[in-house]
Parts: sequence; structure tokens; C-alpha cells
Amino acid sequence: GQQLNQSPQSMFIQEGEDVSMNCTSSSIFNTWLWYKQDPGEGPVLLIALYKAGELTSNGRLTAQFGITRKDSFLNISASIPSDVGIYFCAGHTQGGSEKLVFGKGTKLTVNP
Amino acid sequence: EPEVTQTPSHQVTQMGQEVILRCVPISNHLYFYWYRQILGQKVEFLVSFYNNEISEKSEIFDDQFSVERPDGSNFTLKIRSTKLEDSAMYFCASSEAFGQGTQYFGPGTRLTVL
Repeated sequence: GQQLNQSPQSMFIQEGEDVSMNCTSSSIFNTWLWYKQDPGEGPVLLIALYKAGELTSNGRLTAQFGITRKDSFLNISASIPSDVGIYFCAGHTQGGSEKLVFGKGTKLTVNP
Repeated sequence: EPEVTQTPSHQVTQMGQEVILRCVPISNHLYFYWYRQILGQKVEFLVSFYNNEISEKSEIFDDQFSVERPDGSNFTLKIRSTKLEDSAMYFCASSEAFGQGTQYFGPGTRLTVL
């Protein structure tokens, strides 16, 4: 089945640092979405990407849809303590399936 | 900003009991989904629903699961006879666009089966 390999699994950074995380797959994806999940909460959409090569920003967040359609990255600039949480990549695969395939998440810890 | 809501936030049940998890999708959305997340694991797709019928389901969504849109606003997931391994967070999601549209998630229901 389709698998998303998300890395790193966890990150420990100092406030103010920039962060980068990525997802790769052996399958082609039609969309890439990045979500943030706080403990006990549902995934909150951060950025949605629909076209290969697309680069989109949302405040301090920037994400790109890889040209091969098999990867995506999320960057967070100038991290702040409220950036703490688990970041998931997710996507729709080729073939029109409606299900979102999720990565295993990157757990971000920001030290003040 | 419109959001998906879910009730209850936490449900505790005995093994073998039936549970119904409720969701109110975003009002102008037409596509509805259920996902689950076992503690510490990734989010997994269960089922999608459009035009009052299931449009896609995963292998997890076996005969003990069912979904229903009983009225114009609610979307429910029923687990007929709960098992210990059904303990998880269950998320409802909805999307506006056809097929592979952006999905917005609710806050989840934590189901604990004893």
C-alpha cells in the first residue's frame, strides 16, 4: 500500500531556530497537506498543496510540493514555544482515492 | 471560522457494547470521513461518505462499523460490538470539493473500551 516516510521522527530545538521536516514516498501523490496536532486534539490544517512544484507560505510556515510528486517539505522559521506539537504530512494518491494517507509524524519540542 | 465538531469528547464503554460517535461537519461540505488514531500511531482512514452512501472504505472498516447521516447536519459512526482494540481517537473530517479536496478535521472522540 501507499506509505509516507516522514522525517525526522522528533526534533528538539531552541526558540528562534528554523525547522525543516519532510515526507517522501515511492508513490506519486496528487495533493500534499501538512497538519499540526496538539495532544488530545484533532489535526489542524496548516498548508495544502495541489500542484507539483508549488511553494506556499502561511506566516512563518513554508511548504513545497516536490517536482516528482513523491515528496514534500515543511519549514518553520523563527520557532516559538507554541510551535510545539506533532506535525503530520498527508496526501491523496493517484487514482482518485478520497482517503488521506498520513505520515507517522514529526514531534517538535521548542525550548524557550 | 466554521469547524467540524464531535461529541462526546470521551466515551468509555464495556467490550461488546455498541457505541455511536457523532459529528457535525462544516455546513456547506458534502464529503464526510472517519479516521482513527491508535495512541502514539498515525492517523488511519476508515471510510468516506457522499450523497448518503459510502464511497470508499478501508480494510479496517469491517461489518461491525457503520455510518449514517440521520439528518441534514449530523454524521455518525456506529461500532456494533466494541473490542478492546477499538480503543483509539476517532476523527471526523469533511471537505467541500469533489474527490481529493482538502479535509478539515474535528477535535476527535477518545474511545476507551474496557
